[in-house]
Amino acid sequence: GENVEQHPSTLSVQEGDSAVIKCTYSDSASNYFPWYKQELGKRPQLIIDIRSNVGEKKDQRIAVTLNKTAKHFSLHITETQPEDSAVYFCAASKGGNMLTFGGGTRLMVKP
Amino acid sequence: IAGITQAPTSQILAAGRRMTLRCTQDMRHNAMYWYRQDLGLGLRLIHYSNTAGTTGKGEVPDGYSVSRANTDDFPLTLASAVPSQTSVYFCASSDAGLPQYFGPGTRLTVL
Repeated sequence: GENVEQHPSTLSVQEGDSAVIKCTYSDSASNYFPWYKQELGKRPQLIIDIRSNVGEKKDQRIAVTLNKTAKHFSLHITETQPEDSAVYFCAASKGGNMLTFGGGTRLMVKP
Repeated sequence: IAGITQAPTSQILAAGRRMTLRCTQDMRHNAMYWYRQDLGLGLRLIHYSNTAGTTGKGEVPDGYSVSRANTDDFPLTLASAVPSQTSVYFCASSDAGLPQYFGPGTRLTVL
């Protein structure tokens, strides 16, 4: 089955700096890659997703890049703010409903 | 997302007891899912349903059962709870497979 690895497990940045979280996947047939943000005690919330026919997608301060050849994708957050502090999860799916999640990255943005 | 509700919010259960976690969505999504999230870990898929009347096993199905009698409801049953089933349980739904939106979660403690 699919295996998704996520790094780093924790990330601390100063407010205003950029943050990058990386994920690798094992199944070359995977074609959908969402990112979720989870605040403490809350549900995971979709923040951005990308499909395999696109190499990059942006939404304001958030961007995701995908390298299908290398089987990795990354989340980029620019101009980080304290409210960006949360746990971020990547996931992968090959077109069906079986999302496989990475282990999560705890992002801390220091004011 | 207000469209998915879960009940109860939290529950403490004695080992060996039967428990059903409820999940209801009003978005008319075809697919529904159950995940568990253990402390420090990502989300793992327990069971899923692509459409009413069908169900499938995820990554960690043992000890759990589901049913999908209609589009809106997707209950998860623990026939005989064990302490290792202590976790936070999230229900999710999606239209046409992706993306998935999560409910608020149920915190279950099995003693």
